[in-house]
Amino acid sequence: TQLLEQSPQFLSIQEGENLTVYCNSSSVFSSLQWYRQEPGEGPVLLVTVVTGGEVKKLKRLTFQFGDARKDSSLHITAAQPGDTGLYLCAAASNFGNEKLTFGTGTRLTIIP
Amino acid sequence: IAGITQAPTSQILAAGRRMTLRCTQDMRHNAMYWYRQDLGLGLRLIHYSNTAGTTGKGEVPDGYSVSRANTDDFPLTLASAVPSQTSVYFCASSERVGFNYGYTFGSGTRLTVV
Repeated sequence: TQLLEQSPQFLSIQEGENLTVYCNSSSVFSSLQWYRQEPGEGPVLLVTVVTGGEVKKLKRLTFQFGDARKDSSLHITAAQPGDTGLYLCAAASNFGNEKLTFGTGTRLTIIP
Repeated sequence: IAGITQAPTSQILAAGRRMTLRCTQDMRHNAMYWYRQDLGLGLRLIHYSNTAGTTGKGEVPDGYSVSRANTDDFPLTLASAVPSQTSVYFCASSERVGFNYGYTFGSGTRLTVV
């Protein structure tokens, strides 16, 4: 089972600032997904990246998949209080058949 | 509202008791999953089902069983609950098995075994 390490574990910043969180592993992934989880709710899918070097944008969120498909980053521009939550990366390593393995998450707090 | 319904929302259970957590989806997804979420350990896969009639073991299956009699329902049973099974349990589904399919999660069941 691959190990997904997310950093930082906790991040608290002021509204309007930019931030980046990371997801790293020694394994090669066939795909990687990012989820956001709010208190009392299940995770909600934000994006799936498949190709090494791929960059996807979702409004103020930019997701990048590493060239070697071993790591990913999530960059948030001009953070807002609504961005507060637990950000989870999840990856599948066996093409087509593997279940998702989740990282332990980055807990993000945006201070108004 | 389309999605996954989990019941109960929360439960306090005496050790040694049997309990079934219910999960129903209305998206006609083929694959379904049960995860438990614990502080510091993240989400860990308990059991999964690639399609109705089939099930498989995940990372932490001991003490749990599942069945998949039809597409919509995927109940998780604790045969004899122990305190280490105190956790938040999430049911999820995906259109089919495959690395390109995202998961839809329910809102979870918070279980406390005392």
